[in-house]
Amino acid sequence: QLVESGGGVVQPGRSLRLSCAASGFTFSNYGIHWVRQAPGKGLEWVAVISYDGGNEYYVDSVKGRFTISRDNSKNTLFLQMNSLITEDTAIYYCAKDSRGTGSGATDYWGQGTLVTVSS
Amino acid sequence: EIVLTQSPGTLSLSPGERATLSCRASQSVSSNYLAWYQQKPGQAPRFLIYGASTRATGIPDRFSGSGSGTDFTLTISRLEPEDFAVYYCQQYGRSPPKITFGGGTKVEIK
Repeated sequence: QLVESGGGVVQPGRSLRLSCAASGFTFSNYGIHWVRQAPGKGLEWVAVISYDGGNEYYVDSVKGRFTISRDNSKNTLFLQMNSLITEDTAIYYCAKDSRGTGSGATDYWGQGTLVTVSS
Repeated sequence: EIVLTQSPGTLSLSPGERATLSCRASQSVSSNYLAWYQQKPGQAPRFLIYGASTRATGIPDRFSGSGSGTDFTLTISRLEPEDFAVYYCQQYGRSPPKITFGGGTKVEIK
């Protein structure tokens, strides 16, 4: 199970930190992704982190503003979002990868947390 | 970067009919690393198919995937009421491991 939290309404230029609590599987064995979905739109991949946190990758539109991290001792994934813009408004899902490197398919998803960037 | 184009955008069918959804890639998908997901309103995506044709755990056999290279298909043999939803294809398996999604096909009740 994956449970996201930390969403809310935030002004442009401000920061927000999302969390994703994992249970029911060996969290430290798998890569984890963040995927977002703007209102009424399709799915957009945001970032991935490998099983040990050693590798992380981002979509170009968030590079330099978002940071993905994980705490394997607490089975928790994070997404630090800085310099938020209105285009970042979306439901943010964490999704478990089928591989440790993060290069597999995403086989389990959380229910998502809504981030609204608005003045 | 691989671009995935799904067609049609919307498919209007009746329960019991066959649904055929297409996903075309802008370049060949290595090792058929192509997955399909179902999403209903207000819900997270559900993992259906991976490796282009292997059903995920618990997925009914009315769902089948096929294709290779740049052309992939998701077929629902006989639509059940719970199958009306939006379906996305996804390309994975690259290095670095950046995922790409298609724009989605909505299967609606006719």
